[in-house]
Amino acid sequence: DAKTTQPNSMESNEEEPVHLPCNHSTISGTDYIHWYRQLPSQGPEYVIHGLTSNVNNRMASLAIAEDRKSSTLILHRATLRDAAVYYCILRESGNTPLVFGKGTRLSVIA
Amino acid sequence: GAGVSQSPRYKVAKRGQDVALRCDPISGHVSLFWYQQALGQGPEFLTYFQNEAQLDKSGLPSDRFFAERPEGSVSTLKIQRTQQEDSAVYLCASSLVGQKDTQYFGPGTRLTVL
Repeated sequence: DAKTTQPNSMESNEEEPVHLPCNHSTISGTDYIHWYRQLPSQGPEYVIHGLTSNVNNRMASLAIAEDRKSSTLILHRATLRDAAVYYCILRESGNTPLVFGKGTRLSVIA
Repeated sequence: GAGVSQSPRYKVAKRGQDVALRCDPISGHVSLFWYQQALGQGPEFLTYFQNEAQLDKSGLPSDRFFAERPEGSVSTLKIQRTQQEDSAVYLCASSLVGQKDTQYFGPGTRLTVL
């Protein structure tokens, strides 16, 4: 499985933008980049995914480097409810399981 | 609409007991996944169903773990002769079929083996 590397933890002030980095230097051409997050005592939830182009949705933006070896999840205005563990995952072709790393634990300070 | 539900939410078992964990996926979702999450770790894949067919069970840690989905909807994960190392949160996720398709997770069942 292609691997991702994320910082163990990050901290943000409330209402500030947050940039969560992910390195995936061994990504293959058909791998999609998925982001999930897990709030305390809940199952993971989907945030966003992309292949080559930057993506925006109501939750976040995903910026993908031109060589696809890294990506950044952007939360435009962090709220206390965004405190969670964020996982960057490469999804292989086909309906394959998600391979979670340890993710980045985001703390949001009021 | 209704999401993925799991029951029970919490289960305490004595070592050696058998347990059964239930997952109700989102209606119409073909794919169903089970994951195990140890404390402080990310979820780890256990097994995968497409409809009633178990296509991948490579993540099941031992032959004490057994999963079924007989009618292609509800799934049950059974653990026989539970051990303390089985203590974890067991997560179920369902999705449509496809590389891009989002997996929707249930809240998990927290199993504690004493």
